[in-house]
Amino acid sequence: EVQLVESGGGLVQPGRSLRLSCAASGFTFDDYAMHWVRQAPGKGLEWVSGISWNSGSIGYADSVKGRFTISRDNAKNSLYLQMNSLRAEDTALYYCAKGAYYYDSSGYYRDVYGMDVWGQGTTVTVSS
Amino acid sequence: QSALTQPASVSGSPGQSITISCTGTSSDVGSYNLVSWYQQHPGKAPKLMIYEVSKRPSGVSNRFSGSKSGNTASLTISGLQAEDEADYYCCSYAGSSLYVFGTGTKVTVL
Repeated sequence: EVQLVESGGGLVQPGRSLRLSCAASGFTFDDYAMHWVRQAPGKGLEWVSGISWNSGSIGYADSVKGRFTISRDNAKNSLYLQMNSLRAEDTALYYCAKGAYYYDSSGYYRDVYGMDVWGQGTTVTVSS
Repeated sequence: QSALTQPASVSGSPGQSITISCTGTSSDVGSYNLVSWYQQHPGKAPKLMIYEVSKRPSGVSNRFSGSKSGNTASLTISGLQAEDEADYYCCSYAGSSLYVFGTGTKVTVL
């Protein structure tokens, strides 16, 4: 079974740091791009960051650039999000998501720039 | 990176068709055929419903279809069913390893 399990969330004071982890199983982790997506309480989805299979391509939302760092350890089938200088507006449920890959008409298996497997999320609360 | 614009809510009666719009810019929706749509029921993780504007993953009902014109993508749900009541989000690739989600639409089945 393809599964993503996030951990590392919790209550943290503004300005402090937190590191989220996502343990992947049931698929060949190092074949796929991975993403972090967050959802503030009662709000919509916000893409936070994404990383290619080999860490060669990384992107961040403007709202977290310079404060958050995404990384992966393919040997451990794990994705990480290091969150520094946390703010109240970072309070959210953080989802780990697997990049979606499908076969095209030529039989080529490629990234379709979507997210097809999601974890259940880990909650981050930034408050004094 | 501004969120894509979706209507806050759309409703329809069982059996009807509804369409949700997703308006971006020439830097995201307008530049790439890489729009995806997600369904999210309360308290649940999102589910991929459409990728690359109009393609359905295996297991997704063919009542769901997608399209795009210019900077606006659309999701149509035909033969609306009670189980379709959920929040729906579009997402577009925006170049340089960046993505942007829509503001979300609550679908109500009357």
